[in-house]
Amino acid sequence: DTEVTQTPKHLVMGMTNKKSLKCEQHMGHRAMYWYKQKAKKPPELMFVYSYEKLSINESVPSRFSPECPNSSLLNLHLHALQPEDSALYLCASSQGLAGWGKNIQYFGAGTRLSVL
Amino acid sequence: GENVEQHPSTLSVQEGDSAVIKCTYSDSASNYFPWYKQELGKRPQLIIDIRSNVGEKKDQRIAVTLNKTAKHFSLHITETQPEDSAVYFCAANSPGGYQKVTFGTGTKLQVIP
Repeated sequence: DTEVTQTPKHLVMGMTNKKSLKCEQHMGHRAMYWYKQKAKKPPELMFVYSYEKLSINESVPSRFSPECPNSSLLNLHLHALQPEDSALYLCASSQGLAGWGKNIQYFGAGTRLSVL
Repeated sequence: GENVEQHPSTLSVQEGDSAVIKCTYSDSASNYFPWYKQELGKRPQLIIDIRSNVGEKKDQRIAVTLNKTAKHFSLHITETQPEDSAVYFCAANSPGGYQKVTFGTGTKLQVIP
């Protein structure tokens, strides 16, 4: 199973709403990632969790709050977002180890977020 | 941080022809270079990757070459097929780890039947 599952597929929220994106993998991977992708642009790294600890935060605004409850789950909590935050949010996972073949990132299908 | 430039931004080829996409990176200490394919509305998927201790790697119709001196790497697709039509992203890791990769700006490849 090389599947990374993201829910919901689509989300529309107002600027005052609080919502959460979910990501799940059952590959035993110990590194999980959040990316933001705007239309016709490459994915931009937001956060990396390694062994359930936040290891990389790419200076993301605090209205995005990641959480890694266990090694299989990754959440992204959203609060007071702006219209410019509308994008495709991609989750990815990798084995989390150094060494050849262990750092391949497997992406989920993404959550398409619209902020009104 | 690492900066990755990718050219061309769009590429149209006839079915059966070859396609070449080129990338340059800024940090000479980068040592991992994956390539991802993203079809319209789909997730990015790794198609091939290469480490800095290897100059070339091939997988069926796809090959990647790396020139560490010039900090260039390229994707070569031979005998292109319509299903190769997609956006292709190159990437390079930040030195010291494999988790943080910086993506190039992407190349939209169109294979004309």
